[in-house]
Amino acid sequence: DVKVTQSSRYLVKRTGEKVFLECVQDMDHENMFWYRQDPGLGLRLIYFSYDVKMKEKGDIPEGYSVSREKKERFSLILESASTNQTSMYLCASSSPGGEKGYTFGSGTRLTVV
Amino acid sequence: AQSVTQPDIHITVSEGASLELRCNYSYGATPYLFWYVQSPGQGLQLLLKYFSGDTLVQGIKGFEAEFKRSQSSFNLRKPSVHWSDAAEYFCAVGAGNDMRFGAGTRLTVKP
Repeated sequence: DVKVTQSSRYLVKRTGEKVFLECVQDMDHENMFWYRQDPGLGLRLIYFSYDVKMKEKGDIPEGYSVSREKKERFSLILESASTNQTSMYLCASSSPGGEKGYTFGSGTRLTVV
Repeated sequence: AQSVTQPDIHITVSEGASLELRCNYSYGATPYLFWYVQSPGQGLQLLLKYFSGDTLVQGIKGFEAEFKRSQSSFNLRKPSVHWSDAAEYFCAVGAGNDMRFGAGTRLTVKP
């Protein structure tokens, strides 16, 4: 069964900490994405990557960075966590055309205190 | 600008009743169209997709959706809802790196 795996289901971090969210896919997909999901706002794209070491900003990149050193792994980094980054974070992957849709991980619920 | 609208934030239906969730979109070219379902605390699972051909598409879990180009709509339907269908449903429109998601419709199923 094809999979996108997010390393943590729940995380609690302190304000100002550097936070790493990890995502691994086993489908050899070129595209990978990080979204945050908040009630009433749906999914908002933070960053995406279309190839190793390539990245593009999404709609809400402020306060975040990403790393893609290997095709299967896409990391989201919160340089200095703040309480307004408390959210559900979803990783997804897809083929370049997206014709089969996106495959999502189970999500990481991050709480910043 | 590309956008996806799901007009209903929350819908409640009785078990066994029919269901229709609405989705309207605005997109420059003919996009791929998708419906996803999200159970509490989980990621999104693909229910069905449409790009071309027959405008009525069948998906998993007994869902279907109909594409109406003239109305820029892609509504999701199910003839008889089961309690396990309670979840949040997202419509998505786009292609490649440009995928837009609606805000979601939360479905509650009454016994």
